[in-house]
Amino acid sequence: GAGVSQSPSNKVTEKGKDVELRCDPISGHTALYWYRQSLGQGLEFLIYFQGNSAPDKSGLPSDRFSAERTGGSVSTLTIQRTQQEDSAVYLCASSLSHARSYEQYFGPGTRLTVT
Amino acid sequence: QQQVKQSPQSLIVQKGGIPIINCAYENTAFDYFPWYQQFPGKGPALLIAIRPDVSEKKEGRFTISFNKSAKQFSLHIMDSQPGDSATYFCAAGRNTDKLIFGTGTRLQVFP
Repeated sequence: GAGVSQSPSNKVTEKGKDVELRCDPISGHTALYWYRQSLGQGLEFLIYFQGNSAPDKSGLPSDRFSAERTGGSVSTLTIQRTQQEDSAVYLCASSLSHARSYEQYFGPGTRLTVT
Repeated sequence: QQQVKQSPQSLIVQKGGIPIINCAYENTAFDYFPWYQQFPGKGPALLIAIRPDVSEKKEGRFTISFNKSAKQFSLHIMDSQPGDSATYFCAAGRNTDKLIFGTGTRLQVFP
């Protein structure tokens, strides 16, 4: 079946502009996660959506970052007034998220470059 | 308490060797420990995962060893192949919550 898809695959933007990154999770997966991977670094948690519950936003680095998930499926990560330090690969993952099934499956990522 | 420490940062082995990557965690509430494999330009792919109720899990050439008392777990790759050359990440999580990732190990397997 189809995996997690993300768009765009690459995004170059000027400092100060807003960007929107999209994630389509695996069909039927109720949990959706956003992570950030800076060059040569590990993955840093950003935000987590689980069904209709309030999202866990504890990883968002500043109030310039926000995310929403519409209809329990597609999610959009928005970065306002981008800064050069926002340059990274933004990864989305989804999970069935029920007892004994914690596996998170990642999309290919969106490489964001802020010039 | 939320950190996962991974070592080594990089590893070079010859084909057929058995690279071992180690991770340590602090939070005893973690109950799920996956390993991911990442090739350049791709997203991480789930390789194998373990729960704390077992000490070892094997899937093909990949084995996780888990030491609950030491709060450590490791990945062993048997009969390593050049195609295994990638970056490997350990992670830890609780229930379906976010994963905390190690910093990654870049593995190179030479023919």
